[in-house]
Amino acid sequence: AQKVTQAQTEISVVEKEDVTLDCVYETRDTTYYLFWYKQPPSGELVFLIRRNSFDEQNEISGRYSWNFQKSTSSFNFTITASQVVDSAVYFCALSEWADSSYKLIFGSGTRLLVRP
Amino acid sequence: DSGVTQTPKHLITATGQRVTLRCSPRSGDLSVYWYQQSLDQGLQFLIQYYNGEERAKGNILERFSAQQFPDLHSELNLSSLELGDSALYFCASSVSGLEETQYFGPGTRLLVL
Repeated sequence: AQKVTQAQTEISVVEKEDVTLDCVYETRDTTYYLFWYKQPPSGELVFLIRRNSFDEQNEISGRYSWNFQKSTSSFNFTITASQVVDSAVYFCALSEWADSSYKLIFGSGTRLLVRP
Repeated sequence: DSGVTQTPKHLITATGQRVTLRCSPRSGDLSVYWYQQSLDQGLQFLIQYYNGEERAKGNILERFSAQQFPDLHSELNLSSLELGDSALYFCASSVSGLEETQYFGPGTRLLVL
Protein backbone atom coordinates (compact mmCIF):
# COMPACT_ATOMS: atom_id res chain seq x y z
CA ALA A 1 0.00 0.00 0.00
CA GLN A 2 1.06 3.56 -0.58
CA LYS A 3 2.47 5.33 2.40
CA VAL A 4 4.01 8.68 3.27
CA THR A 5 6.16 9.13 6.36
CA GLN A 6 7.04 12.45 7.90
CA ALA A 7 9.10 11.39 10.86
CA GLN A 8 9.56 14.88 12.26
CA THR A 9 6.45 15.72 14.24
CA GLU A 10 7.58 19.18 15.26
CA ILE A 11 10.58 21.37 14.50
CA SER A 12 11.45 24.63 16.19
CA VAL A 13 14.02 27.02 14.75
CA VAL A 14 15.06 30.60 15.22
CA GLU A 15 14.35 33.05 12.45
CA LYS A 16 16.94 33.05 9.64
CA GLU A 17 17.95 29.46 10.26
CA ASP A 18 17.67 26.96 7.42
CA VAL A 19 15.38 24.01 8.04
CA THR A 20 14.74 20.78 6.17
CA LEU A 21 11.50 18.83 6.40
CA ASP A 22 11.82 15.16 5.57
CA CYS A 23 9.41 13.06 3.55
CA VAL A 24 9.79 9.37 2.73
CA TYR A 25 7.27 7.52 0.60
CA GLU A 26 6.39 3.99 -0.42
CA THR A 27 4.71 3.08 -3.67
CA ARG A 28 4.65 0.27 -6.19
CA ASP A 29 3.56 2.58 -9.01
CA THR A 30 6.16 3.49 -11.61
CA THR A 31 4.40 6.76 -12.36
CA TYR A 32 3.39 8.84 -9.42
CA TYR A 33 3.25 12.40 -8.18
CA LEU A 34 4.53 13.98 -5.01
CA PHE A 35 3.24 17.14 -3.41
CA TRP A 36 3.91 19.50 -0.55
CA TYR A 37 1.12 21.52 1.06
CA LYS A 38 1.32 24.14 3.77
CA GLN A 39 -1.33 24.55 6.47
CA PRO A 40 -0.88 27.87 8.29
CA PRO A 41 -2.61 28.53 11.63
CA SER A 42 -5.67 29.82 9.77
CA GLY A 43 -6.28 26.23 8.64
CA GLU A 44 -6.41 26.26 4.86
CA LEU A 45 -4.25 23.92 2.80
CA VAL A 46 -1.98 25.77 0.41
CA PHE A 47 -0.39 23.98 -2.53
CA LEU A 48 3.39 24.45 -2.74
CA ILE A 49 4.79 22.04 -5.30
CA ARG A 50 4.08 18.98 -7.45
CA ARG A 51 6.71 16.65 -8.93
CA ASN A 52 6.25 13.64 -11.13
CA SER A 53 8.30 10.50 -10.67
CA PHE A 54 10.25 10.99 -13.89
CA ASP A 55 11.58 14.39 -12.98
CA GLU A 56 14.32 14.19 -10.37
CA GLN A 57 15.60 17.70 -10.87
CA ASN A 58 15.73 19.72 -7.72
CA GLU A 59 13.49 22.74 -7.67
CA ILE A 60 14.02 26.13 -6.12
CA SER A 61 11.38 28.78 -5.61
CA GLY A 62 12.64 31.76 -3.67
CA ARG A 63 13.59 30.57 -0.19
CA TYR A 64 12.02 27.16 -0.81
CA SER A 65 13.79 24.22 -2.39
CA TRP A 66 12.92 20.59 -2.88
CA ASN A 67 15.18 17.59 -3.21
CA PHE A 68 13.64 14.54 -4.88
CA GLN A 69 15.68 11.33 -4.68
CA LYS A 70 14.05 8.27 -6.17
CA SER A 71 16.85 6.00 -4.95
CA THR A 72 15.93 6.72 -1.35
CA SER A 73 12.21 7.38 -1.97
CA SER A 74 12.53 10.81 -0.43
CA PHE A 75 11.17 14.23 -1.29
CA ASN A 76 12.62 16.68 1.21
CA PHE A 77 11.73 20.33 1.56
CA THR A 78 14.19 23.01 2.68
CA ILE A 79 13.36 26.53 3.77
CA THR A 80 16.35 28.84 3.65
CA ALA A 81 16.55 31.81 6.00
CA SER A 82 13.28 30.91 7.72
CA GLN A 83 10.81 33.60 8.72
CA VAL A 84 8.09 33.73 11.35
CA VAL A 85 5.48 33.58 8.57
CA ASP A 86 6.80 30.12 7.66
CA SER A 87 5.32 28.78 10.89
CA ALA A 88 2.78 26.20 9.80
CA VAL A 89 2.15 22.49 9.44
CA TYR A 90 3.64 21.10 6.26
CA PHE A 91 2.24 18.01 4.59
CA CYS A 92 3.90 15.77 2.05
CA ALA A 93 1.50 13.81 -0.15
CA LEU A 94 1.66 11.03 -2.73
CA SER A 95 -0.83 10.43 -5.51
CA GLU A 96 -2.43 7.01 -5.60
CA TRP A 97 -4.07 5.67 -8.71
CA ALA A 98 -7.04 3.49 -7.82
CA ASP A 99 -10.56 3.02 -9.20
CA SER A 100 -9.81 5.12 -12.29
CA SER A 101 -8.91 8.08 -10.16
CA TYR A 102 -6.08 9.79 -8.38
CA LYS A 103 -6.37 10.54 -4.71
CA LEU A 104 -3.82 11.92 -2.31
CA ILE A 105 -2.20 9.98 0.49
CA PHE A 106 -0.94 12.44 3.08
CA GLY A 107 1.81 12.14 5.62
CA SER A 108 1.06 13.05 9.21
CA GLY A 109 2.57 16.48 8.79
CA THR A 110 5.48 18.37 10.37
CA ARG A 111 4.70 21.37 12.54
CA LEU A 112 7.30 24.08 12.00
CA LEU A 113 7.66 26.85 14.55
CA VAL A 114 9.91 29.73 13.59
CA ARG A 115 10.75 31.87 16.60
CA PRO A 116 11.76 35.52 16.27
CA ASP B 1 -6.86 32.12 -2.52
CA SER B 2 -7.20 28.76 -4.29
CA GLY B 3 -10.51 29.61 -5.95
CA VAL B 4 -12.30 26.79 -4.14
CA THR B 5 -15.01 28.00 -1.77
CA GLN B 6 -16.57 26.17 1.13
CA THR B 7 -19.48 27.07 3.37
CA PRO B 8 -20.02 27.32 6.22
CA LYS B 9 -16.64 28.06 7.74
CA HIS B 10 -17.67 26.77 11.15
CA LEU B 11 -20.49 24.52 12.24
CA ILE B 12 -21.49 23.52 15.76
CA THR B 13 -24.15 20.89 16.20
CA ALA B 14 -25.29 18.14 18.53
CA THR B 15 -24.92 14.37 18.38
CA GLY B 16 -27.54 12.67 16.26
CA GLN B 17 -28.04 15.67 14.01
CA ARG B 18 -27.50 16.01 10.26
CA VAL B 19 -25.49 18.71 8.51
CA THR B 20 -24.65 19.66 4.94
CA LEU B 21 -21.32 21.08 3.86
CA ARG B 22 -21.09 22.90 0.57
CA CYS B 23 -18.24 23.30 -1.90
CA SER B 24 -17.81 25.23 -5.13
CA PRO B 25 -14.84 24.17 -7.23
CA ARG B 26 -12.46 26.43 -9.11
CA SER B 27 -13.80 27.73 -12.38
CA GLY B 28 -13.23 25.09 -15.06
CA ASP B 29 -12.61 22.22 -12.66
CA LEU B 30 -14.87 19.22 -13.14
CA SER B 31 -13.65 17.06 -10.29
CA VAL B 32 -14.34 17.56 -6.60
CA TYR B 33 -12.79 15.68 -3.71
CA TRP B 34 -13.71 15.59 -0.03
CA TYR B 35 -11.14 15.02 2.72
CA GLN B 36 -11.47 14.81 6.49
CA GLN B 37 -8.77 16.07 8.83
CA SER B 38 -9.00 14.83 12.40
CA LEU B 39 -6.46 14.71 15.20
CA ASP B 40 -6.35 10.93 15.37
CA GLN B 41 -6.71 10.02 11.66
CA GLY B 42 -4.89 12.89 9.99
CA LEU B 43 -5.93 13.91 6.48
CA GLN B 44 -8.01 11.22 4.81
CA PHE B 45 -9.68 11.01 1.44
CA LEU B 46 -13.43 10.50 1.63
CA ILE B 47 -14.92 10.62 -1.85
CA GLN B 48 -14.48 12.05 -5.33
CA TYR B 49 -16.94 13.24 -7.96
CA TYR B 50 -16.29 13.98 -11.59
CA ASN B 51 -18.81 15.93 -13.64
CA GLY B 52 -21.70 14.82 -11.48
CA GLU B 53 -20.74 11.17 -11.15
CA GLU B 54 -19.11 9.44 -8.21
CA ARG B 55 -15.65 8.34 -9.26
CA ALA B 56 -13.84 7.04 -6.20
CA LYS B 57 -14.56 6.29 -2.59
CA GLY B 58 -12.17 6.29 0.30
CA ASN B 59 -12.75 5.92 4.02
CA ILE B 60 -16.23 7.37 3.98
CA LEU B 61 -18.71 6.18 6.59
CA GLU B 62 -22.14 4.94 5.53
CA ARG B 63 -23.65 7.82 7.53
CA PHE B 64 -21.94 10.22 5.13
CA SER B 65 -22.95 10.86 1.55
CA ALA B 66 -22.11 13.35 -1.14
CA GLN B 67 -23.29 14.55 -4.50
CA GLN B 68 -22.20 16.87 -7.25
CA PHE B 69 -24.79 19.00 -8.99
CA PRO B 70 -25.05 20.05 -12.64
CA ASP B 71 -23.46 23.41 -11.81
CA LEU B 72 -20.55 21.34 -10.41
CA HIS B 73 -20.88 22.43 -6.82
CA SER B 74 -20.82 19.58 -4.33
CA GLU B 75 -22.41 18.86 -0.99
CA LEU B 76 -21.26 16.50 1.72
CA ASN B 77 -24.04 15.28 3.98
CA LEU B 78 -23.18 13.98 7.43
CA SER B 79 -25.96 12.32 9.42
CA SER B 80 -26.44 10.73 12.84
CA LEU B 81 -23.46 12.74 13.94
CA GLU B 82 -21.16 11.44 16.65
CA LEU B 83 -18.59 13.21 18.77
CA GLY B 84 -15.85 11.57 16.71
CA ASP B 85 -17.08 13.26 13.54
CA SER B 86 -15.71 16.55 14.82
CA ALA B 87 -13.04 17.48 12.29
CA LEU B 88 -12.00 19.86 9.58
CA TYR B 89 -13.60 18.91 6.26
CA PHE B 90 -11.85 19.99 3.11
CA CYS B 91 -13.06 20.13 -0.41
CA ALA B 92 -10.54 20.12 -3.25
CA SER B 93 -10.95 20.42 -6.98
CA SER B 94 -8.99 19.61 -10.09
CA VAL B 95 -9.59 19.83 -13.79
CA SER B 96 -10.30 16.22 -14.67
CA GLY B 97 -9.55 14.11 -11.62
CA LEU B 98 -6.51 12.60 -13.20
CA GLU B 99 -2.95 13.51 -12.33
CA GLU B 100 -3.34 17.25 -11.91
CA THR B 101 -2.85 19.19 -8.72
CA GLN B 102 -5.75 19.31 -6.31
CA TYR B 103 -6.48 22.78 -4.95
CA PHE B 104 -8.07 22.93 -1.55
CA GLY B 105 -10.77 25.14 -0.12
CA PRO B 106 -10.50 26.81 3.30
CA GLY B 107 -12.31 23.94 5.01
CA THR B 108 -15.38 23.66 7.24
CA ARG B 109 -14.66 23.12 10.90
CA LEU B 110 -17.33 20.87 12.39
CA LEU B 111 -17.79 20.54 16.12
CA VAL B 112 -20.22 17.93 17.40
CA LEU B 113 -21.23 18.41 21.03
